[in-house]
Amino acid sequence: GESVGLHLPTLSVQEGDNSIINCAYSNSASDYFIWYKQESGKGPQFIIDIRSNMDKRQGQRVTVLLNKTVKHLSLQIAATQPGDSAVYFCAENRGGSGAQKLVFGQGTRLTINP
Amino acid sequence: GAGVSQSPSNKVTEKGKDVELRCDPISGHTALYWYRQSLGQGLEFLIYFQGNSAPDKSGLPSDRFSAERTGGSVSTLTIQRTQQEDSAVYLCASSSWTANTEAFFGQGTRLTVV
Repeated sequence: GESVGLHLPTLSVQEGDNSIINCAYSNSASDYFIWYKQESGKGPQFIIDIRSNMDKRQGQRVTVLLNKTVKHLSLQIAATQPGDSAVYFCAENRGGSGAQKLVFGQGTRLTINP
Repeated sequence: GAGVSQSPSNKVTEKGKDVELRCDPISGHTALYWYRQSLGQGLEFLIYFQGNSAPDKSGLPSDRFSAERTGGSVSTLTIQRTQQEDSAVYLCASSSWTANTEAFFGQGTRLTVV
């Protein structure tokens, strides 16, 4: 069935290094993706989103890349900090205009080592 | 309030009992969502409300699950005759109903059915 999935369940990087978290999706008609960060005991927090008419979008220390040819997106976090340790989810918004009807991947746990 | 508020934060109930989970969305947000996060299934969409429109109940796993939203604000998720597989964190989110908006999540209610 259609799904949104992640390549790796865990990722460890040294503080200050860059990290890349990957996500694959199966529905070629998907057009809106969102990355969320979830810290322990908290709900998911929006990081950045991208629509299918874009290949790249940048935020503060984060960049999302979308490759529609291979149905893959990635989240790059630059100069990682201890506060970046969390579980990161990619999600596809299937709700259409306005609705946040999200299909989440399984998540990648990012650990920043001091 | 400043964010989405959920209560209780933790709930332990006996198998077969009914439970009610409450969500107070961000003031002014017309859309409200319920998601469930469990070890086996990850983050799953359950239901959303938008204004006075009929709710999208497509994610509710069984007829034991229901939700209502009174006065376009507070929502209650009810699980009848709870089963052990209902044990999960139930997350509520709210958003404004515009394109490219983000959903803000509460901290969730951890439900344990014993």
